[in-house]
Amino acid sequence: AQKITQTQPGMFVQEKEAVTLDCTYDTSDQSYGLFWYKQPSSGEMIFLIYQGSYDEQNATEGRYSLNFQKARKSANLVISASQLGDSAMYFCAMRSQNYGGSQGNLIFGKGTKLSVKP
Amino acid sequence: DVKVTQSSRYLVKRTGEKVFLECVQDMDHENMFWYRQDPGLGLRLIYFSYDVKMKEKGDIPEGYSVSREKKERFSLILESASTNQTSMYLCASRGQGVVEKLFFGSGTQLSVL
Repeated sequence: AQKITQTQPGMFVQEKEAVTLDCTYDTSDQSYGLFWYKQPSSGEMIFLIYQGSYDEQNATEGRYSLNFQKARKSANLVISASQLGDSAMYFCAMRSQNYGGSQGNLIFGKGTKLSVKP
Repeated sequence: DVKVTQSSRYLVKRTGEKVFLECVQDMDHENMFWYRQDPGLGLRLIYFSYDVKMKEKGDIPEGYSVSREKKERFSLILESASTNQTSMYLCASRGQGVVEKLFFGSGTQLSVL
């Protein structure tokens, strides 16, 4: 069965510092996709970054980068130069690209609450 | 700009009531999803639909049903609401591409008293 594990329920980081949010996954699929979403207190889920299992380069989107280590089955999110507005819940998610009956459903981890201190 | 709209941000219902949660997307997406979010449990899939009138059960379908009569609208129905269905409900939609991301609505916080 597929599973996403986020071991850090909560984290603190000083403004302007970098922070790494951990994510490990379990799948027997050869082809899959990994996503990170941000959920501020307003409740809306905001897409941050995507990594495909066959992508050779780590994904980057502005201040967000994904540290993808396929052999370790980890997909950690790195936020550089933290800002106060980065305070939010962060969810790691995975989709199997072997569609079958699941039609590409996303499986989510339990999330990490990040608090940025001024 | 892409949009997934959930009809209510907050909803309070009584035990035993029939509850309808509505979701509309304007992106012509084939796939639509209903998730439930609880503290410490993350998001769990209730039902999803990959086409009009088509639906499949997710991980926690018990106590819920869904309806998709039109492509843009996906409704979640609580046939007889119970207190353990108090939760945040998130609707999402996605296109058909392999790397297509989910677009989410802003959520409905449902309280069942």
